[in-house]
Amino acid sequence: GAVVSQHPSWVICKSGTSVKIECRSLDFQATTMFWYRQFPKQSLMLMATSNEGSKATYEQGVEKDKFLINHASLTLSTLTVTSAHPEDSSFYICSAERLAGGNEQFFGPGTRLTVL
Amino acid sequence: AQRVTQPEKLLSVFKGAPVELKCNYSYSGSPELFWYVQYSRQRLQLLLRHISRESIKGFTADLNKGETSFHLKKPFAQEEDSAMYYCALGTGYKLSFGAGTTVTVRA
Repeated sequence: GAVVSQHPSWVICKSGTSVKIECRSLDFQATTMFWYRQFPKQSLMLMATSNEGSKATYEQGVEKDKFLINHASLTLSTLTVTSAHPEDSSFYICSAERLAGGNEQFFGPGTRLTVL
Repeated sequence: AQRVTQPEKLLSVFKGAPVELKCNYSYSGSPELFWYVQYSRQRLQLLLRHISRESIKGFTADLNKGETSFHLKKPFAQEEDSAMYYCALGTGYKLSFGAGTTVTVRA
């Protein structure tokens, strides 16, 4: 149990377009979902934390107007990269914390974004 | 501010040899420490957490508050242990990750 999916697994887009990435908890309800960014051969950096029905909490240095997060239900959070530019190219990973799970985060497989 | 340091980027050991991955943390509060593992082409998954004090896949880790360390150890490495290992510090609802250590176990 405790599976998290992400869609799409990879996406290529043109500079200036917006890209939406979905994160779903498939077999459990998630109180909180997290969005991370990972550059090649580097660690995961937390971008934002989202709770169902409320505004996301962004980490310092992350532009909230650039990275829009919507947490519509206990099983779905979306990250929209608006007006994407080549420097936004990265690996985006989400995780979900189970409603009754003792703070353990379950990670999605990640989404590779390439902006041309 | 919290910080996690994994000093070794790469670690190569022979099968059957002991392996130790170092992790040091900096945090003024009461820490919660984790080790996550990422096998090739797979997602990140929890290996163990300090509060459970259990051994997973032969790995153990002891929290040493005096040295602010949470080193991961296994007495006899196996080829299937080759992976990327991340130490993480939990503070409230957040996880802060170290840079990761790539472990290669050679036959």
